Amino acid sequence: GQQVMQIPQYQHVQEGEDFTTYCNSSTTLSNIQWYKQRPGGHPVFLIQLVKSGEVKKQKRLTFQFGEAKKNSSLHITATQTTDVGTYFCAAAGGTSYGKLTFGQGTILTVHP
Amino acid sequence: NAGVTQTPKFQVLKTGQSMTLQCAQDMNHEYMSWYRQDPGMGLRLIHYSVGAGITDQGEVPNGYNVSRSTTEDFPLRLLSAAPSQTSVYFCASSYAGLAYEQYFGPGTRLTVT
Repeated sequence: GQQVMQIPQYQHVQEGEDFTTYCNSSTTLSNIQWYKQRPGGHPVFLIQLVKSGEVKKQKRLTFQFGEAKKNSSLHITATQTTDVGTYFCAAAGGTSYGKLTFGQGTILTVHP
Repeated sequence: NAGVTQTPKFQVLKTGQSMTLQCAQDMNHEYMSWYRQDPGMGLRLIHYSVGAGITDQGEVPNGYNVSRSTTEDFPLRLLSAAPSQTSVYFCASSYAGLAYEQYFGPGTRLTVT
């Protein structure tokens, strides 16, 4: 089935440092979504990207969709302790048409 | 609105036992799904439904059954629990489709011994 690779698996940062997680697919995607899961919680939708080269911002979070619609990134500027959690990408399209394939997630730890 | 609710929050089963994980949503969403989450593997789709009376298999359906008799409820049945089914189970719903924004329930943490 559809393969979605997300890196890194873990990221430890000092508060105030930046953080980036990457999501890659071997096939062209129709859309990509990002979710955040706090420790012990459930995934919560952050954003959806649809257009080639799309860039969206939410306060300190910047989301990008690649020109070929095969990759995406989430960048957090000046991390805060409230950013702690696991960030998942979820891809639609390719061989999993009509359904989402989730990346493995990046676990972000922020040291105060 | 309560959103998506799941019961129980925690469950311990012995190998071979059966049980039903409950999921309900009050947002009138047509699309509902069950995912399991295992360390390092993201969320994997077990079964899904595109409306009352319609269900289909996802990526990892073996050992699980579902039914959708109403728009609100989407229970997941474990037929004969196995240790490999130890996981966290999330139910999700969507108004737009399975490939669009998902609203997740709080999850059920299941341990099979």
